[in-house]
Amino acid sequence: AQKVTQAQTEISVVEKEDVTLDCVYETRDTTYYLFWYKQPPSGELVFLIRRNSFDEQNEISGRYSWNFQKSTSSFNFTITASQVVDSAVYFCALNWRNKLVFGAGTILRVKS
Amino acid sequence: DSGVTQTPKHLITATGQRVTLRCSPRSGDLSVYWYQQSLDQGLQFLIQYYNGEERAKGNILERFSAQQFPDLHSELNLSSLELGDSALYFCASSVGAGIANYGYTFGSGTRLTVV
Repeated sequence: AQKVTQAQTEISVVEKEDVTLDCVYETRDTTYYLFWYKQPPSGELVFLIRRNSFDEQNEISGRYSWNFQKSTSSFNFTITASQVVDSAVYFCALNWRNKLVFGAGTILRVKS
Repeated sequence: DSGVTQTPKHLITATGQRVTLRCSPRSGDLSVYWYQQSLDQGLQFLIQYYNGEERAKGNILERFSAQQFPDLHSELNLSSLELGDSALYFCASSVGAGIANYGYTFGSGTRLTVV
């Protein structure tokens, strides 16, 4: 069965620290997509990235970077030089039969 | 603004009542998905419609129903409400029927409080 595990329930860092959010997934599909979403305190779900299973290149977007490793079924997310505005809940998700299977989320608190 | 519009943003109602949540997908998107986010269950897929037809069903209670209209907007009907139905309900839309190759855009959600 499809499953996404975000083992870190909550992480607290001080501004400007780097932080990595872990995501481990399980799937029997050979073709699949992985996602990261951000949910700020206002509640909306903000799309961050989509990665397909055939593309294992790491991706960088500004202070955000993602490390996809099929060998360990992981899709980790790193924020470099964190800022208070990064405080949010971050969800990793996996597609399965037209739906997204979400992890439980990691609460990130960035303190000034 | 994601382009997916959900109304109302907040809803407070009593147990046993019925409510309707509305979603207008992003222009050009044919699929609408409903998700429930609760403290104990996390984000759970409820149901998907594609161009008016039900396409996929998740953990949706029998007390809940949905439909997609010819103009592609969708409504989620929740009846005989219980305290445990209090949650944030999200609608998402995508261009195609399947998520592969297509993005998934979420609305800002409807926060339902059952008292």
